[in-house]
Amino acid sequence: TQLLEQSPQFLSIQEGENLTVYCNSSSVFSSLQWYRQEPGEGPVLLVTVVTGGEVKKLKRLTFQFGDARKDSSLHITAAQTGDTGLYLCARTGTASKLTFGTGTRLQVTL
Amino acid sequence: GAVVSQHPSWVICKSGTSVKIECRSLDFQATTMFWYRQFPKQSLMLMATSNEGSKATYEQGVEKDKFLINHASLTLSTLTVTSAHPEDSSFYICSARDFGVEQYFGPGTRLTVT
Repeated sequence: TQLLEQSPQFLSIQEGENLTVYCNSSSVFSSLQWYRQEPGEGPVLLVTVVTGGEVKKLKRLTFQFGDARKDSSLHITAAQTGDTGLYLCARTGTASKLTFGTGTRLQVTL
Repeated sequence: GAVVSQHPSWVICKSGTSVKIECRSLDFQATTMFWYRQFPKQSLMLMATSNEGSKATYEQGVEKDKFLINHASLTLSTLTVTSAHPEDSSFYICSARDFGVEQYFGPGTRLTVT
């Protein structure tokens, strides 16, 4: 199993702060996705990155794919309480199977 | 578009009984459906992949006789947990894929076995 390690595992910050979540693997990704999951719900796709060095922005969220396509990061600017949730990276494998990362639980408080 | 539903959203059953969970693609035809399990404070783990009209493919370590998967139509897949035990208590999530790569996730089913 090719593990996807995410760091940190848990992050508690105040509203307005910035944060970065990392997703790392020892092997190359063909593509990588980031999801956000709220308690008691299924994950929701935020972005898909496919090209090494690619940077994508989604409002206050910035996603970066490493040049070697072995790592990715998610940066949130001026976090809001609505950003609270579990952030998951996932790689697509054969037959479109997804392997999820270990997850980063984010809590944003007032 | 691309809505996936699950039923029930939560279920409590007694140890030794069987529970069926349904996954439906509401506005598209799902050529492939996936079943995941998520324990508290953990990530999603793929259990099996099901293609319409054929047998499911199970991931290593998942007992196919315990977790019966049926994908009888392009809009419905079911997961039956047979002879449930307390350690089967978990959050079960399905996803569905049409002819593209993206998977659309259901809202999950929380199973508690007492």
